[in-house]
Amino acid sequence: GEDVEQSLFLSVREGDSSVINCTYTDSSSTYLYWYKQEPGAGLQLLTYIFSNMDMKQDQRLTVLLNKKDKHLSLRIADTQTGDSAIYFCAESGSARQLTFGSGTQLTVLP
Amino acid sequence: NAGVTQTPKFQVLKTGQSMTLQCAQDMNHEYMSWYRQDPGMGLRLIHYSVGAGITDQGEVPNGYNVSRSTTEDFPLRLLSAAPSQTSVYFCASSLSGTGITDTQYFGPGTRLTVL
Repeated sequence: GEDVEQSLFLSVREGDSSVINCTYTDSSSTYLYWYKQEPGAGLQLLTYIFSNMDMKQDQRLTVLLNKKDKHLSLRIADTQTGDSAIYFCAESGSARQLTFGSGTQLTVLP
Repeated sequence: NAGVTQTPKFQVLKTGQSMTLQCAQDMNHEYMSWYRQDPGMGLRLIHYSVGAGITDQGEVPNGYNVSRSTTEDFPLRLLSAAPSQTSVYFCASSLSGTGITDTQYFGPGTRLTVL
């Protein structure tokens, strides 16, 4: 079945850029998503990218998609303490189901 | 709009007990789903529904039942709880699925412990 993989932890200094990486296996993925989960809360959609795009920028967020390598990344510019959270990569294949990665815990150090 | 609401927020069960996790949305969304979140494993889809009267299995349906008698409500039933069902459960809804306009809205979660 489909698989989505992420590294579990990332620490950055406040003001630096964060890059969270994700790989997926489903070549039929239509959309790829990044969700943010703050402590004790549900998931919030941050951004998404359609599979025929290479890049999408949305304020401090930049999503890069390498479809050949099935690699997705999320770059957060000027990372702030409020960005500390778990970030999930997800892909939509068939049957209206989202497949999530295990999540990357981003810690922003002062 | 209240969005997606879930009750209870916390629950402790003994092995073999049954219970229902409630989920409701007031956005007139057709698509609703249940996920469980376990450490290091992300979210896994349990069951989903594309409209009232229609449900289908996700990745990990065993031990769970669902029904969708109304558009608003999508309860998740544990018939005989097992320690392996200790997890955080999230309900989500969207207009019609996972297309470009179909942002999934998540509830705050129910933290379930089975002893």
